[in-house]
Amino acid sequence: GAVVSQHPSRVICKSGTSVKIECRSLDFQATTMFWYRQFPKQSLMLMATSNEGSKATYEQGVEKDKFLINHASLTLSTLTVTSAHPEDSSFYICSAHDSGTDYNEQFFGPGTRLTVL
Amino acid sequence: GQNIDQPTEMTATEGAIVQINCTYQTSGFNGLFWYQQHAGEAPTFLSYNVLDGLEEKGRFSSFLSRSKGYSYLLLKELQMKDSASYLCAVMDSNYQLIWGAGTKLIIKP
Repeated sequence: GAVVSQHPSRVICKSGTSVKIECRSLDFQATTMFWYRQFPKQSLMLMATSNEGSKATYEQGVEKDKFLINHASLTLSTLTVTSAHPEDSSFYICSAHDSGTDYNEQFFGPGTRLTVL
Repeated sequence: GQNIDQPTEMTATEGAIVQINCTYQTSGFNGLFWYQQHAGEAPTFLSYNVLDGLEEKGRFSSFLSRSKGYSYLLLKELQMKDSASYLCAVMDSNYQLIWGAGTKLIIKP
C-alpha cells in the first residue's frame, strides 16, 4: 500500500521557537495533503488542506500565520509551527490522497508528537 | 451542519463479537471510512464503503446504508490487541474527511 512518512516523529522545543514537520508520500504523488492535530483523548481535527503549487486552505480558527504550510512538490508538504507555545503541544498527523487513483482513501503518516516546554 | 455520531466507549469480551455503530449527516457523500487508532499512534485504515451493503475483510466487516446515514463496524473473534479507538469518517462533497469522535473499545479477558 501507499506509504506516507513524517519527520521528525517526536520533537521537544522551547517556547518561542519554530518547529518544522515534514510529510512525504514515498511511492505516489499527492496534489493534496491534509494536516490534522489531535489532542489527548480527542478525535482528529483538520487544520488545513495543503495544495501543491498553491496556498493552503485553513480551517476556521486555525491561524495561518502561526501554522505555515508549504507544498512545494507532489511528494512533500511541510508544516511549520512558528513561535510555539505550550498549548501547541499536540500530536500532528498528515495524510495524503493518491492523485493517480480515483480511490478516495487518504494515507496517514505516523504522526509527530510535539512538546513545547 | 455536519455531524458524525458514534458511541464513546464499548466493552467486550475476548473471543466475542462487537458491533460499533456510526450515524452521519454530511454535505454530500463520497464514502465512509473506518480507522483503528491505538493510543499514541496514527490511525490505520480498516475499511471503505461507498455502496450499500456489507464489506467483509477477515475478522472485520463494515456495513453501509446511505439512505439511513448509518454504518457499523463488526469485529469478530475479538483479541486483546483489538483494544483501541475506532474512528468513523465520512468524505463529504468537497472530498474532506469529517471525523467522528471515536469509540474506545475495551477488550476484557
